[in-house]
Amino acid sequence: GQQLNQSPQSMFIQEGEDVSMNCTSSSIFNTWLWYKQEPGEGPVLLIALYKAGELTSNGRLTAQFGITRKDSFLNISASIPSDVGIYFCAGEKVGGSYIPTFGRGTSLIVHP
Amino acid sequence: ETGVTQSPTHLIKTRGQQVTLRCSSQSGHNTVSWYQQALGQGPQFIFQYYREEENGRGNFPPRFSGLQFPNYSSELNVNALELDDSALYLCASSPDGGLIAKNIQYFGAGTRLSVL
Repeated sequence: GQQLNQSPQSMFIQEGEDVSMNCTSSSIFNTWLWYKQEPGEGPVLLIALYKAGELTSNGRLTAQFGITRKDSFLNISASIPSDVGIYFCAGEKVGGSYIPTFGRGTSLIVHP
Repeated sequence: ETGVTQSPTHLIKTRGQQVTLRCSSQSGHNTVSWYQQALGQGPQFIFQYYREEENGRGNFPPRFSGLQFPNYSSELNVNALELDDSALYLCASSPDGGLIAKNIQYFGAGTRLSVL
């Protein structure tokens, strides 16, 4: 099935560093979502974006909805060990059935 | 703890068999969505059930079917299992149907299905 292009695939960083990951699509989406999944758990919603150009923060996390509506990025500032996990983007189109499309994920490892 | 429970947690089946996975939604939620997550991939939307009716379906064959009960719990049934069906199956409940951005989904921990 279709999946969004998410990069990088994995990141190995030191505690305290900032992190940036992005997601692109060939299709236009009306909503972008960012999730985090930890081992043995389901994804948890971090940030939802509803309008092109929108910039939204959730603590140390900041996400933006690209103005072309075909991309989004997520930044994590001052990373800490509990940021470890897999981060997924998801896009949603309006009209007809509500079928969300997920990216393949960015695996983040933070070294203390 | 999301209040969404899935059973069983792990399951091993052989090719050609049938399987039923179960999901109890969070209290007050009338919508359940099912996803397939293969190893190293993001979740793929299978279908959504809203008030006992299918409310959207992804690109999965008819041998993937579902059911939602009056208490809004749900089942995912897969017939004629294939090796490629091996994956983590996630269930998510939300307060209402439609856009997941407007109706935040709460995921269960999933059922790990292995098809041999």
